[in-house]
Amino acid sequence: DTEVTQTPKHLVMGMTNKKSLKCEQHMGHRAMYWYKQKAKKPPELMFVYSYEKLSINESVPSRFSPECPNSSLLNLHLHALQPEDSALYLCASSQEEGVDTQYFGPGTRLTVL
Amino acid sequence: QKEVEQNSGPLSVPEGAIASLNCTYSDRGSQSFFWYRQYSGKSPELIMSIYSNGDKEDGRFTAQLNKASQYVSLLIRDSQPSDSATYLCAVIVAGGTSYGKLTFGQGTILTVHP
Repeated sequence: DTEVTQTPKHLVMGMTNKKSLKCEQHMGHRAMYWYKQKAKKPPELMFVYSYEKLSINESVPSRFSPECPNSSLLNLHLHALQPEDSALYLCASSQEEGVDTQYFGPGTRLTVL
Repeated sequence: QKEVEQNSGPLSVPEGAIASLNCTYSDRGSQSFFWYRQYSGKSPELIMSIYSNGDKEDGRFTAQLNKASQYVSLLIRDSQPSDSATYLCAVIVAGGTSYGKLTFGQGTILTVHP
């Protein structure tokens, strides 16, 4: 089973709202990732967690705040977003960071009004 | 020079033909290479991973890796309209500031017409 799940599928929020994206995997993977993908562009790495510790932060604005409550769960907390933050947000996981195949979840389509 | 380069296409082939997708990468030390398929509005789906020089076949898909030429390709035999998608080449970079990161090419749009 190579399933990564994400909720919600779609999210519309105002610039003053606070919301969270959730990601879950039960493959025993120790690395989890957040990517942002704009239309007609490849995914861009935002954050990497390895063994529940933040490993990489790609200079993402502080209005995006990741959290890894345990080895199976990854959250992305959103606050005071801008319309240009509207995108497909993808979660992925791999056995270990930086060497193994990454499996992507279905994504959350975020629209910021 | 971009770390991973693909022809953006679009590549159009007739149904039943062979589609050939190409990718070059700049980091000579890279060891892990992947092809993902992405339908419009959906997430990337792993098609193939390849780590050694040569060919790797899985059903209608064949990945080819040539580390000396820093080149990886994907052949799709007996192309079907359902293969119409964007194909992303991705490499785990072994050196430089992108060390350990899965780095994507811009993607090739493939259209298979009946």
